[in-house]
Amino acid sequence: EVQLVESGGGLVQPGGSLRLSCAASGFTFTNYAMTWVRQAPGKRLEWVSSISGSGANTFYADSVKGRFTISRDNSKNTLYLQMNSLRGEDTAIYYCAKVFQLWVPFDYWGQGTPLTVSS
Amino acid sequence: EIVMTQSPATLSVSPGERATLFCRASQSFSSNLAWYQQKPGQPPRLLIYGASTRATVIPARFSGSGSGTEFTLTISSLESEDIAVYFCMQYDNWPPTFGQGTKVEIK
Repeated sequence: EVQLVESGGGLVQPGGSLRLSCAASGFTFTNYAMTWVRQAPGKRLEWVSSISGSGANTFYADSVKGRFTISRDNSKNTLYLQMNSLRGEDTAIYYCAKVFQLWVPFDYWGQGTPLTVSS
Repeated sequence: EIVMTQSPATLSVSPGERATLFCRASQSFSSNLAWYQQKPGQPPRLLIYGASTRATVIPARFSGSGSGTEFTLTISSLESEDIAVYFCMQYDNWPPTFGQGTKVEIK
């Protein structure tokens, strides 16, 4: 059974940093691209970032480019999202998701971890 | 980027009746569309990909259709466990973008 468990969310001040983690199990982690998707309160889901199975290729939404860094440790079956220079508009629930084929769509999602950026 | 618009915002359907949900794209594409179901407190669940292919262990009462700018998710006979928010996602054009969701409730 595929399981994705996010952690690391919380309350952070504007301009601060935080790292989210996503522990994966139930599939061969290195064989699949992974992605982060977020949902701000009252807003639609927004794709944030994706990374290839090897970690060699990464993509970012324009809204987070230069501030967020996606990475993975295939020896630990864990996906990460390093978030720097956080803004109020980054407040959201962050979901990690497994990619179904190549880069899309996303077939399994974690429960999400909440991030609040506020002073 | 492609903007996805779903309708209606809320759909009230009696148990056993058909529910039809719509997703419209701001520009045309072939079939790279997925439908997800999200119940309160749960992560999204992939129902349909490729506009019409059911994902693993998804019941046959769920079906998807459409191409171009108009896509449809049909629940042929609504069950109480189908109460959820449904949203579409296009993945034909990068970045993938989502609709705002349709809430399905029991009438």
